[in-house]
Amino acid sequence: DAKTTQPNSMESNEEEPVHLPCNHSTISGTDYIHWYRQLPSQGPEYVIHGLTSNVNNRMASLAIAEDRKSSTLILHRATLRDAAVYYCILRDDSGAGSYQLTFGKGTKLSVIP
Amino acid sequence: SAVISQKPSRDICQRGTSLTIQCQVDSQVTMMFWYRQQPGQSLTLIATANQGSEATYESGFVIDKFPISRPNLTFSTLTVSNMSPEDSSIYLCSVAGDRAGNTIYFGEGSWLTVV
Repeated sequence: DAKTTQPNSMESNEEEPVHLPCNHSTISGTDYIHWYRQLPSQGPEYVIHGLTSNVNNRMASLAIAEDRKSSTLILHRATLRDAAVYYCILRDDSGAGSYQLTFGKGTKLSVIP
Repeated sequence: SAVISQKPSRDICQRGTSLTIQCQVDSQVTMMFWYRQQPGQSLTLIATANQGSEATYESGFVIDKFPISRPNLTFSTLTVSNMSPEDSSIYLCSVAGDRAGNTIYFGEGSWLTVV
């Protein structure tokens, strides 16, 4: 799987938007961009994923650059519960790859009340 | 969605002993995985648990140390054998939630401390 680069940590004020960046300059055409987060003392949970177009769901939005070499996870209004480690993961979803996820170090998001 | 239950949730183990972790899913799933998360680190894939056949291990992990069973589509076990303090970690079971594997679900983890 292609590698991703994320900042080690970020801070946000509560109720403000958060933009979490991810660089993936070696992404291949069949790589989907997946985001997971891990709250303290819990297993990771799915946040969102996409291929080329921007994606929205109830948790977040995913903005994907036109050249697909970077993406941004957007939390529209951070809450204290959003404090977690956020992982940006590339996975070949063409059917030729496996379902497994390869985790990097992620970005630790702190939310300030 | 898939709900995953892991047992034990936490344990303190003596050096040299073995411990089996159970993973129960509330629905039949094709793909099951076992991960390890060492203190302060990210997750590392140990193996893919295959139903009815031997697990597929990642580089650095061997069957003798981490034997895995998968007797059916809802259950798997991971044994950590002959434990040493370096095995103190969180062990997580995960499953692919749909046929396309778009969503991977994780259990809460089993926190093992080896003394």
